[in-house]
Amino acid sequence: GAGVSQSPRYKVAKRGQDVALRCDPISGHVSLFWYQQALGQGPEFLTYFQNEAQLDKSGLPSDRFFAERPEGSVSTLKIQRTQQEDSAVYLCASSTGVGNTIYFGEGSWLTVV
Amino acid sequence: AQRVTQPEKLLSVFKGAPVELKCNYSYSGSPELFWYVQYSRQRLQLLLRHISRESIKGFTADLNKGETSFHLKKPFAQEEDSAMYYCALGGSSNTGKLIFGQGTTLQVKP
Repeated sequence: GAGVSQSPRYKVAKRGQDVALRCDPISGHVSLFWYQQALGQGPEFLTYFQNEAQLDKSGLPSDRFFAERPEGSVSTLKIQRTQQEDSAVYLCASSTGVGNTIYFGEGSWLTVV
Repeated sequence: AQRVTQPEKLLSVFKGAPVELKCNYSYSGSPELFWYVQYSRQRLQLLLRHISRESIKGFTADLNKGETSFHLKKPFAQEEDSAMYYCALGGSSNTGKLIFGQGTTLQVKP
């Protein structure tokens, strides 16, 4: 595809449900990032992959958050036992490598009710 | 601590007026600064980065290390400039991750 693709675009989850958010980066992009953007805030870093290796997960807010990129392409962000404070837009981004332009997806809007 | 501050949540100007979106950062090393823009119903996209020193859509930004600022400027605002603007700080790690400010909504009135 032409850009970073994310699905689902919108997700409503009941509190306590598990959710999985998918990211298809631009083909050939080595670096992949996940960000969380709460309403009225800027994006906040969650985690970073270089190919299939998760090199930085310092931004994951709790052990309920888990991300993977098993084949170095598609990535999934999983949130277990969702809580209301998890409601946010989850942005995926990719780049050809460190220091190169980062391209963002349209985001997955998660609402926990 | 690494931090980006955008003091204005909303900036409203008339078409043709000069624009300055403020950004201050806190970083001890050699920073890389970026401006990202998000137009209505579109994804976040890079507007410019300080190392390229280029002008995009008439916008410029100069890194002032003494004042730790990277303000975004345009001499004559256009209605199509209305968007959300985010200042971001990078260069802090070997991952290229960015630290974003809270964003400023620019509203250009006709």
